[in-house]
Amino acid sequence: SAVISQKPSRDICQRGTSLTIQCQVDSQVTMMFWYRQQPGQSLTLIATANQGSEATYESGFVIDKFPISRPNLTFSTLTVSNMSPEDSSIYLCSVGQAWGYTFGSGTRLTVV
Amino acid sequence: KQEVTQIPAALSVPEGENLVLNCSFTDSAIYNLQWFRQDPGKGLTSLLLIQSSQREQTSGRLNASLDKSSGRSTLYIAASQPGDSATYLCAVLRIGGGADGLTFGKGTHLIIQP
Repeated sequence: SAVISQKPSRDICQRGTSLTIQCQVDSQVTMMFWYRQQPGQSLTLIATANQGSEATYESGFVIDKFPISRPNLTFSTLTVSNMSPEDSSIYLCSVGQAWGYTFGSGTRLTVV
Repeated sequence: KQEVTQIPAALSVPEGENLVLNCSFTDSAIYNLQWFRQDPGKGLTSLLLIQSSQREQTSGRLNASLDKSSGRSTLYIAASQPGDSATYLCAVLRIGGGADGLTFGKGTHLIIQP
């Protein structure tokens, strides 16, 4: 299965600032997914990122708040913009293949 | 809209016991079902994937079953060990939903007492 490198693994950020999370996959994949896991909750899909097109966002998530880039078939970034304490969560990227979905190790974000 | 429910939400058992975690889903039109393990503050580790045409999958002390018609899956852990302590997540992929990602349950928080 694909190996995903996600960074940073954690960060503490001031409110009002932005953080960009990077995911690098060791093979070419068509779609990459970004999830959020709020404290004590399960995973919620933020958006699906295809190379060469705009990301598709789930209800409740908007591009201005969570801009996504997908410059090639092995890399994607998610930016959390104008952060508030409510954005404190674990953010995970994922790829789906025939043998199942693989996840990055996650970025633990704390906004103070 | 697909909904995934996991029961129990939390479970604490002594080491060595066999245990069963339950997952149910509302829409039986699934492509596959996947069980994950998540350690505190970490990402997800895939445990087992069951295709919709399969009834069960086994890996070591883990066995997952799928009854698509009734919308249920179980994860059986044999001879539990303290290292099995983690949150176990069940997730389904709907048919034709390759662009949608997975739908997750809220997980079962498992503690194995030494």
